Amino acid sequence: GENVEQHPSTLSVQEGDSAVIKCTYSDSASNYFPWYKQELGKRPQLIIDIRSNVGEKKDQRIAVTLNKTAKHFSLHITETQPEDSAVYFCAAEMDSSYKLIFGSGTRLLVRP
Amino acid sequence: SQTIHQWPATLVQPVGSPLSLECTVEGTSNPNLYWYRQAAGRGLQLLFYSVGIGQISSEVPQNLSASRPQDRQFILSSKKLLLSDSGFYLCAWSDLPTAYEQYFGPGTRLTVT
Repeated sequence: GENVEQHPSTLSVQEGDSAVIKCTYSDSASNYFPWYKQELGKRPQLIIDIRSNVGEKKDQRIAVTLNKTAKHFSLHITETQPEDSAVYFCAAEMDSSYKLIFGSGTRLLVRP
Repeated sequence: SQTIHQWPATLVQPVGSPLSLECTVEGTSNPNLYWYRQAAGRGLQLLFYSVGIGQISSEVPQNLSASRPQDRQFILSSKKLLLSDSGFYLCAWSDLPTAYEQYFGPGTRLTVT
């Protein structure tokens, strides 16, 4: 079945450094790829998303890139801050159905 | 603006007891509605989704069921809880027909003892 793989599972960076999280997906028909940030005990929050008709999207310190041929997409966070520490989930739309398949999550720790 | 509510926020239930979790959305009509479960330290598993009143699709066979009695109300139920039903239950909505973005409710933390 459809699958989204996410790595690394944990990532520790120094404040001010960049962080990159990568995901691959299996459904070649997927057209929508969101990223969520979840702080401890809270709900996941949509932070950025990308559709298949573009290769890159940027919003201040975060950016997402998409390679449809290779079926992978990545989240890039620049100038990381301690408040960026959280679990990040990627997802891919499944079966052109408005359903999302989520990756297993990356726990990001930004060391002050 | 749209808001999504879930209750209760936390719940402790014994094995074998029934369950009813409620989710409501305000500020939109005919949303897509979703139930997810998140086990401790794990990812998000889609349980049910609904594209309209009375229309429920199940993603994972289990002892849970869902209903949508009103346009903006989504209910997750069980007749007999299992220990493995413990987790963080999240309701989400998205706006038909062209919006893919899903927005999550605050969640219900369920502990089955």
